[in-house]
Amino acid sequence: QLQLQESGPGLVKPSETLSLTCTVSGGPIISSSYYWDWIRQPPGKGLESIGSINYSGSTYYNPSLKSRVTISVDTSKNQFSLKLNSATAADTAVYYCARRDYVWGSYPPLYYFDHWGQGTLVTVSS
Amino acid sequence: DIQMTQSPSSLSASVGDRVSITCRASQSISSYLNWYQQKPGKAPKFLIYGSSSLQSGVPSRFSGSGSGTDFTLNISSLQPEDFATYYCQQSYETPYTFGQGTKVEIK
Repeated sequence: QLQLQESGPGLVKPSETLSLTCTVSGGPIISSSYYWDWIRQPPGKGLESIGSINYSGSTYYNPSLKSRVTISVDTSKNQFSLKLNSATAADTAVYYCARRDYVWGSYPPLYYFDHWGQGTLVTVSS
Repeated sequence: DIQMTQSPSSLSASVGDRVSITCRASQSISSYLNWYQQKPGKAPKFLIYGSSSLQSGVPSRFSGSGSGTDFTLNISSLQPEDFATYYCQQSYETPYTFGQGTKVEIK
């Protein structure tokens, strides 16, 4: 049973860096089939894709956040991480890590998020 | 970015009712549309991919349809565990975007 678990500080000061790690258990992060994503949800609001990485380190960032985001992977620890620079109150949200798979044979690939972490609330406040 | 608009934003229904939720894309996304269910304080749960294909383990009372810009999630007979917020999500092009959600509440 694949499980994902976010970890990191729940409180970040404005202008500082928000850092989170997602630990994957029950399966290897090293797979050419999957991407590993970060998604966030401000309190009472909808879901926003932040970006993704695959096992080889190929990344994608949402253009709205690209200038502030770095996603990295540590295959030896079966983890991937998120760093969001220059945090503001607008970055206060529940942050989820998720696995992105796709429908075999679909072209372009039909991706979906099939496994999610439980989420972690990060508050940006002084 | 592709904008996803769901309607209604919320609805009240009774156990046993048939419920329909609509999702509209700002441009054609073929059938690259997924649905998720989220309960309070929990992560979203993946329900449907490719507009109409049920994820393994999802009850058959859930169904999806549509292509192009207009999509529908149907719940044929609402059960107590179905009261939740539902999100559509397009995977046609990056950034992958979600609808604002439809909250299904108990009447």
